[in-house]
Amino acid sequence: KAGVTQTPRYLIKTRGQQVTLSCSPISGHRSVSWYQQTPGQGLQFLFEYFSETQRNKGNFPGRFSGRQFSNSRSEMNVSTLELGDSALYLCASSLLLAPKHYEQYFGPGTRLTVT
Amino acid sequence: QKEVEQNSGPLSVPEGAIASLNCTYSDRGSQSFFWYRQYSGKSPELIMSIYSNGDKEDGRFTAQLNKASQYVSLLIRDSQPSDSATYLCAPRDRDDKIIFGKGTRLHILP
Repeated sequence: KAGVTQTPRYLIKTRGQQVTLSCSPISGHRSVSWYQQTPGQGLQFLFEYFSETQRNKGNFPGRFSGRQFSNSRSEMNVSTLELGDSALYLCASSLLLAPKHYEQYFGPGTRLTVT
Repeated sequence: QKEVEQNSGPLSVPEGAIASLNCTYSDRGSQSFFWYRQYSGKSPELIMSIYSNGDKEDGRFTAQLNKASQYVSLLIRDSQPSDSATYLCAPRDRDDKIIFGKGTRLHILP
């Protein structure tokens, strides 16, 4: 079974631009979560989508947004990029094992550099 | 602010010994707990999940959970150089969000 895939793997953008990252979950997984990982802050939760609906959101500004499509694929968008947005963006998909007891599997990530 | 605390390390353990990684969390409403391993430059890999108090064993790995003490640990028996990585503790909180600790760097000495 194929794992979580993310595209692109690497991206260089300029301050003020916007960027869209894509994630395809493991087949059969309907939940997709996004995380930002930086050396200083570690892994921080951005948002989670389930069946095309955002079911949870972290403490990030409105410049960070996402969506999920009917095939469970998800995109996240960052508008008006800032230097501090340089990070590894990770997508994780989940198969619900039991209420609140589902495991997440990460994709390889997208390394975003903002110059 | 919900917190997950881990010793950042590095924790150096001789090859063949037991590595013990510890984690405390602040949200008493957390019900599921995960351990991830992350090699440098790679994404996190799920190695253990635990939902009930007590021990859960999977191969060389044992996760231990004590909800009353808000403490979860990971033991790695017969440590191998390939176990050298950063280990992330990740409870799922009462709001159903997974909160990650900043990780413990483990170094297995050959």
